[in-house]
Amino acid sequence: QKEVEQNSGPLSVPEGAIASLNCTYSDRGSQSFFWYRQYSGKSPELIMSIYSNGDKEDGRFTAQLNKASQYVSLLIRDSQPSDSATYLCAVKKGAPTNAGKSTFGDGTTLTVKP
Amino acid sequence: GAVVSQHPSWVICKSGTSVKIECRSLDFQATTMFWYRQFPKQSLMLMATSNEGSKATYEQGVEKDKFLINHASLTLSTLTVTSAHPEDSSFYICSAKSSGANVLTFGAGSRLTVL
Repeated sequence: QKEVEQNSGPLSVPEGAIASLNCTYSDRGSQSFFWYRQYSGKSPELIMSIYSNGDKEDGRFTAQLNKASQYVSLLIRDSQPSDSATYLCAVKKGAPTNAGKSTFGDGTTLTVKP
Repeated sequence: GAVVSQHPSWVICKSGTSVKIECRSLDFQATTMFWYRQFPKQSLMLMATSNEGSKATYEQGVEKDKFLINHASLTLSTLTVTSAHPEDSSFYICSAKSSGANVLTFGAGSRLTVL
């Protein structure tokens, strides 16, 4: 079992729809959770970070964390073609401020069709 | 915001030569830097964790004598791919964080092609 698993893609949604990206992790000691967006040929950029159970909203993005179920998701509302990218889920064992490494999932490729 | 500069952005070299990639934190002190490798359509693979002033910690399966990492200052880490071969061709990415920071800042990546 992989430490971080993401729903297999590719995922295709029409423009304006909600895109739902899912991620599960195996280590119950995980405390920090991140979503990164990576455009083809580019390096990842941070979209959201979440550390507590529940929802965290930032513009069109909402991260949801359920530690009991070891599940973290990213919802993108009003999807735009510019959201087309690969989304990487990353999980870190330690507290947010320590120097521990993050483990990345394989990514889910999202395509938003005009 | 935090900025990490990675250089060169792309490099082509002959088999058997060595290539050095630099990762610089421009506006913060990077106490920890990470080096990743990413093959096409695959996820990031962590190669090593580098803490300023100490030896890098390599992930299992990564040859420390082939991928030399130096983190001699709080703003610079380097990755040297020694005696590069075509199978080393990949996208190499660094990330950095300062002490007490909770997120990583990534460099733009370096695409290495070994002929």
